[in-house]
Amino acid sequence: DAGVIQSPRHEVTEMGQEVTLRCKPISGHNSLFWYRQTMMRGLELLIYFNNNVPIDDSGMPEDRFSAKMPNASFSTLKIQPSEPRDSAVYFCASRRPGQGGNEKLFFGSGTQLSVL
Amino acid sequence: RKEVEQDPGPFNVPEGATVAFNCTYSNSASQSFFWYRQDCRKEPKLLMSVYSSGNEDGRFTAQLNRASQYISLLIRDSKLSDSATYLCVVKAAGNKLTFGGGTRVLVKP
Repeated sequence: DAGVIQSPRHEVTEMGQEVTLRCKPISGHNSLFWYRQTMMRGLELLIYFNNNVPIDDSGMPEDRFSAKMPNASFSTLKIQPSEPRDSAVYFCASRRPGQGGNEKLFFGSGTQLSVL
Repeated sequence: RKEVEQDPGPFNVPEGATVAFNCTYSNSASQSFFWYRQDCRKEPKLLMSVYSSGNEDGRFTAQLNRASQYISLLIRDSKLSDSATYLCVVKAAGNKLTFGGGTRVLVKP
């Protein structure tokens, strides 16, 4: 079975450019999470969706960040305009419905973003 | 104070030895606890859940101390392949999982 698929694997862009990160969750999973990981701040939750609906976006740093989930099999995280401090690894993760207390997240391989 | 805190390490462990480390959490209403493992330049993967009574999975033992608000992970008979960063994860109300900064373990021959 395919896991969580993220693209691109690496993205190098210049400050001010728009960046779009993509995620395809595992089929049948109904929760999707976007995380950002840096050395300084560790793994931070940016936003998560349940049944394609954004539930908690309190982790989104600022208005430059936006996320969408138009259907159960696709989500995007957009940064516009990008800044050097956005450089990080961005992970997407999904989870099966009805897991109760067994919170097994399945992570994608991440997108390494470098903003110059 | 961070919601979930871990000693970043690294813990340098001789092969075959035992290593243990803790994770403290600030929210007394936290409901569920987990350990994830992350290899260098890879994604995190669930290692094990942490149950109130403590639980084992092979060479790994996880324990929860609600009174002092910490969880622990113990690795017995360390293998070279155990070298990784171990992430403590805490779930409060709702679906939000909060990750600690990770504890790096290096097992050496």
